[in-house]
Amino acid sequence: QQQVKQSPQSLIVQKGGISIINCAYENTAFDYFPWYQQFPGKGPALLIAIRPDVSEKKEGRFTISFNKSAKQFSLHIMDSQPGDSATYFCAASLLHDMRFGAGTRLTVKP
Amino acid sequence: KAGVTQTPRYLIKTRGQQVTLSCSPISGHRSVSWYQQTPGQGLQFLFEYFSETQRNKGNFPGRFSGRQFSNSRSEMNVSTLELGDSALYLCASSLGPLGDTGELFFGEGSRLTVL
Repeated sequence: QQQVKQSPQSLIVQKGGISIINCAYENTAFDYFPWYQQFPGKGPALLIAIRPDVSEKKEGRFTISFNKSAKQFSLHIMDSQPGDSATYFCAASLLHDMRFGAGTRLTVKP
Repeated sequence: KAGVTQTPRYLIKTRGQQVTLSCSPISGHRSVSWYQQTPGQGLQFLFEYFSETQRNKGNFPGRFSGRQFSNSRSEMNVSTLELGDSALYLCASSLGPLGDTGELFFGEGSRLTVL
């Protein structure tokens, strides 16, 4: 079963625009929420992560917003660049367990 | 520092056969976890090994199994292959146990095609 639901499945954004990817989880025991970025032919790589005691975390152009009561979190990519074109996975984890969303294929058009 | 190495990178099998995939984690990493990646399903958690013990297993049939050796290298085995087992199998390693907020480092995967 999909314990983490991710949307949209694909996203096309113009260069300089804002990309927004949303995730929702079911298990309130999850206590760590990372985002991974995957380029074709490569394994996923950690982009940014957040703990549930924080509502927002920003690293450069990437921001995670976290809503514990709604069991939702989202990734915002500001000033999106063609180099950001990749597949993004949200995840939720607890000790010895990590569940990923189905992924969002982001295309940033120049 | 060498990354996570998976072998073989590509393989083709027929239904009913079995396959063994290998994963060498980053030196010093004690946790290895395995994932099945298919279009539309994303990354599905298979299992995690930490200090040679399986700590958790995802919702996969018993045909999927694995093990971890004393040097932290891990293998996963799929027996009686089915067409639906065609996927990219990714392994990831981390210094501490999966989910303790340490970064996961992924290999480039083993792409299995079942005919």
